[in-house]
Amino acid sequence: GAVVSQHPSRVICKSGTSVKIECRSLDFQATTMFWYRQFPKQSLMLMATSNEGSKATYEQGVEKDKFLINHASLTLSTLTVTSAHPEDSSFYICSAIGTGIPQETQYFGPGTRLLVL
Amino acid sequence: RKEVEQDPGPFNVPEGATVAFNCTYSNSASQSFFWYRQDCRKEPKLLMSVYSSGNEDGRFTAQLNRASQYISLLIRDSKLSDSATYLCVVNIGNNDMRFGAGTRLTVKP
Repeated sequence: GAVVSQHPSRVICKSGTSVKIECRSLDFQATTMFWYRQFPKQSLMLMATSNEGSKATYEQGVEKDKFLINHASLTLSTLTVTSAHPEDSSFYICSAIGTGIPQETQYFGPGTRLLVL
Repeated sequence: RKEVEQDPGPFNVPEGATVAFNCTYSNSASQSFFWYRQDCRKEPKLLMSVYSSGNEDGRFTAQLNRASQYISLLIRDSKLSDSATYLCVVNIGNNDMRFGAGTRLTVKP
C-alpha cells in the first residue's frame, strides 16, 4: 500500500510555543491531504482538508489562525499549531489520497502525539 | 442524525467466533465505502474497500446495501489479533470522507 510518513512522532513543548508537524507521501502524489485530531478514547475528528496549491478548508469550530496548514507540494503538507496550550494536547494524524494509488482511498500517517505542558 | 453511524460496542467475542458490524449512512449520494481498523494509539489502516457486489478477503467479508444505506463487515474465525476498533468510512462526494465513531472489538481466548 501507499506510504505516508509524519514527523515528529511525538513532541513535548511548553505552553505558548508553536509546533510544526510534517506529513509526507513517500511513494505517490498526494492531491488531497487531511488533518485529523483524536483525543483519548474518542473518534477521529477532521480538522481540515487541503488540496495541493490551494488554501485549506477548515471544519467548523477549527481556528484557521491557530492551526496553520500548508500544502505547497504534492508530497508535503504541514500543520503548525501556533501558541500551543495544554488543551491542544492530542494525537494528530494526517492522511492522503492521490494519483498512483487506489482512487478515493485514504492512507494515514503514523500520527504525532503532542503534549503541551 | 449522524452522517455515518456505527454501534460503538464493545463486542466481546471468544476466539473462533463470527462477528458482524453494521454501519449506516445518511447521504444517498455517497460514492465509495471503506472499512479501516485502528489499534490503540495507532493510526487507522485500510482493511477493505467495499464494492457494490460485495467483496471478501480471507476471513473478512464486506457488503454494501445501497437501498437501505448500510454497509457491513463480517469477520469469521476471530483471532486475538482482530481486537481493534473498526471504522466505517463513507465518501459522500468530492473526496469528502465521513467517519463513523468506530466499533470496538475484543477477541478473548
